[in-house]
Amino acid sequence: SAVISQKPSRDICQRGTSLTIQCQVDSQVTMMFWYRQQPGQSLTLIATANQGSEATYESGFVIDKFPISRPNLTFSTLTVSNMSPEDSSIYLCSVEWSTYGYTFGSGTRLTVV
Amino acid sequence: QKEVEQDPGPLSVPEGAIVSLNCTYSNSAFQYFMWYRQYSRKGPELLMYTYSSGNKEDGRFTAQVDKSSKYISLFIRDSQPSDSATYLCAMRFTGFQKLVFGTGTRLLVSP
Repeated sequence: SAVISQKPSRDICQRGTSLTIQCQVDSQVTMMFWYRQQPGQSLTLIATANQGSEATYESGFVIDKFPISRPNLTFSTLTVSNMSPEDSSIYLCSVEWSTYGYTFGSGTRLTVV
Repeated sequence: QKEVEQDPGPLSVPEGAIVSLNCTYSNSAFQYFMWYRQYSRKGPELLMYTYSSGNKEDGRFTAQVDKSSKYISLFIRDSQPSDSATYLCAMRFTGFQKLVFGTGTRLLVSP
């Protein structure tokens, strides 16, 4: 399976600022996925990032708020823009390595104050 | 109604107990069913998976899918303190990569 390095592991940010989260994969993958995990709620897919094309966003998530970059087959970034306390959550990236196997990064725990 | 329902727990059991974790779902088109385990401050890791209906066993873990009832289960035998984690069910449709997760059940196994 793939190994994902995600950083930062945690951050405390002021409202109105932006944070960029990075994910590095140890092998080339076509798609990378970004999830949000809020307390007491299920992991929710934010967007799917393909290399060389615009990311595909799920209902309720927009590019202006969560811009994504995918410059190559091993790297992606998610930016949380103009943050508010409601954005406090854990953000995870993921890749698919088989029909059943999705590997996740260790997550970025974001607190907005 | 959520697509996937899962009791958040916590579920507290003594070491050695048999644990039963469950999810129900609403969309009969789901074909792939997975269980992920997530330790504190870590990302989810794949634990078990099944396709369509049936059982699958791996060591102390057994995954069951009952498509007629839209119900999946994960059984843990001889539970250990190291099994203390959050267990998330996940499922997907054939031909789609998006996973739909339950909220996760927090399991606490006491020595």
